[in-house]
Formats: sequence, C-alpha cells, structure tokens
Amino acid sequence: NAGVMQNPRHLVRRRGQEARLRCSPMKGHSHVYWYRQLPEEGLKFMVYLQKENIIDESGMPKERFSAEFPKEGPSILRIQQVVRGDSAAYFCASSPFAAALGTQYFGPGTRLLVL
Amino acid sequence: AQTVTQSQPEMSVQEAETVTLSCTYDTSESNYYLFWYKQPPSRQMILVIRQEAYKQQNATENRFSVNFQKAAKSFSLKISDSQLGDTAMYFCAFMKPSDLGDDKIIFGKGTRLHILP
Repeated sequence: NAGVMQNPRHLVRRRGQEARLRCSPMKGHSHVYWYRQLPEEGLKFMVYLQKENIIDESGMPKERFSAEFPKEGPSILRIQQVVRGDSAAYFCASSPFAAALGTQYFGPGTRLLVL
Repeated sequence: AQTVTQSQPEMSVQEAETVTLSCTYDTSESNYYLFWYKQPPSRQMILVIRQEAYKQQNATENRFSVNFQKAAKSFSLKISDSQLGDTAMYFCAFMKPSDLGDDKIIFGKGTRLHILP
C-alpha cells in the first residue's frame, strides 16, 4: 500500500509566479490535511479537506492561497503570486476518516523556494 | 487555544546513552491525543509514538517511551540506548479529536537531537 505521495518534491518559483503542490492520499483515505513548515519551525496547520469539501481553512492565509480536493485526482494546494515568505516545506497528511484514532499519515513534503 | 511547548531547542548525547526530551502543553480538554514525531535530515515526518489521554499507561515503542503526566500537562519522550540514526528533529504534538472532523495537529517548535559517536 503506497503511502501519501506529494509532488513535486522540490519546486523553485520566481516572485509573482504560481505554485501548485499535489498530494495523493493513501488508498482508501478521504481526508487530507495541509501543513506548512517554515525554516527552524514546527509544522503549522493550514487546511483540512474531504472529497470536494473544505472543512477547515482557518490556518490558510486569506489571499493568494487556495486548496481543493476533487472527486477524482489529487488534492492541490495553489499559491498565486508567490513571495519570498512563501518559501517553506509544505506537508500533506491523510487519514481514512475523521478523528481516526489520532493517526494522520504524512507525505514526504514539497520544498518550495521562491527566488 | 491549545499550545505545545518544547523548552529544549537542541540536545547532544553520546551513543548508547539515554536521553529525555521535554514537552508541555496547554488545553482545557479532557480527551485528546499526544504524539512525538521524528524528522530526520530527509525531512520526512515519522510518527514515533502516540498517547491517548484517557489511557493512564505510558506508551512504549521499543527503545522509545513516554512519561505522560496528565495533571501536569507534561509529555516527555525517553530514548534508551540511543543510536546514531536517532539524530533528528523531534516534534511534540497535540490533537483534539472532533466529531466535526476538525482534528488538526498542533506542533511544538521542535528539539534538535544529536547522537554523538
């Protein structure tokens, strides 16, 4: 059973460009969480999605950031008009159902570097 | 709001020694989960150990064990017989399960652990 997959693993963008980060949850998992890790910091929650629904986006910046988890295909975290402060590692986690005994399985992360 | 505090930014111990990483948290909830995650240089997040708050018995996974003090809101990680491969960043984390599915994990800032040969 493949784990949570994220691509690309590394992404370089220039200021003002768009970044698209993809997350494929584990097979059978319909709950996806996105976290951001700034340098030398812990992970911070951004958004929680179920298929076709955003459940909690309280950790996501109001502007330039959006997330989706369509019925078919991976979850996408989209950052428009990136700025240097967006440089971070973005982790996706999945679980089979809500409050699934506290277990979220993390992907390897996408390292975004904004030049 | 829940918070997680790790007071040791960095630690170093000799291989084969035992080391304890500290973590305290703040919550008004009675039912929750606590975790220790390991992040090696590859930066993959690896779950080391998990504790359910309603369980009095401390969780153990091979060389890793926790000292869970619910009243004191303390959750320390003990690594016995430390190995070079234990070198990593360790994050303490908290989660309050929600019937609404809003079970986001809250992480501490981490402790960087160096195991010295």
